[in-house]
Amino acid sequence: DAGVTQSPTHLIKTRGQQVTLRCSPKSGHDTVSWYQQALGQGPQFIFQYYEEEERQRGNFPDRFSGHQFPNYSSELNVNALLLGDSALYLCASSLLFRDRGTEAFFGQGTRLTVV
Amino acid sequence: RKEVEQDPGPFNVPEGATVAFNCTYSNSASQSFFWYRQDCRKEPKLLMSVYSSGNEDGRFTAQLNRASQYISLLIRDSKLSDSATYLCVGHGSGNTGKLIFGQGTTLQVKP
Repeated sequence: DAGVTQSPTHLIKTRGQQVTLRCSPKSGHDTVSWYQQALGQGPQFIFQYYEEEERQRGNFPDRFSGHQFPNYSSELNVNALLLGDSALYLCASSLLFRDRGTEAFFGQGTRLTVV
Repeated sequence: RKEVEQDPGPFNVPEGATVAFNCTYSNSASQSFFWYRQDCRKEPKLLMSVYSSGNEDGRFTAQLNRASQYISLLIRDSKLSDSATYLCVGHGSGNTGKLIFGQGTTLQVKP
């Protein structure tokens, strides 16, 4: 049973460029959430996708956008990259509407460096 | 005030020690809580779920105090392999899947 997979694992981009990160959820999971983790901080919620729609969004600018495909995989797009976007980007998959809250499983992350 | 707060540490303890981490949360509507473990430069991995008053799994015990709005994690008989960052996590309102992370508490177990 494949867990959550993300690609690429590492990425270096220049300020102002655009980047696309990809995530395949754990088998049987229908919900994908994206998080940004800066060095020394806990992950911060970016947004969540379910049934190909953005259901919740954290406090991130519109430069951050996403998509979910019919097979539940997801992409995170960041436009006009800033130095401050350098972070570990984590994808979490889960099942929505479970009775006792969703236990989320994380991919290994994409480490983005903006220079 | 952050929604989930933890003492970042670091906690430096000898092997075999018992160590406890506390975490406070501000959203009284949060119903589910979790402890995740994160090794350096790796992804967070679910350690324990805390739905009611507490949960125990081997050397690890998590407790939830809704009246005081705090969650604790107790690690008994610490092992070198327990060295990691421990993230306290709450659910957003309505168990919709949004996770709210604390900053993390760093534990270093020494021989």
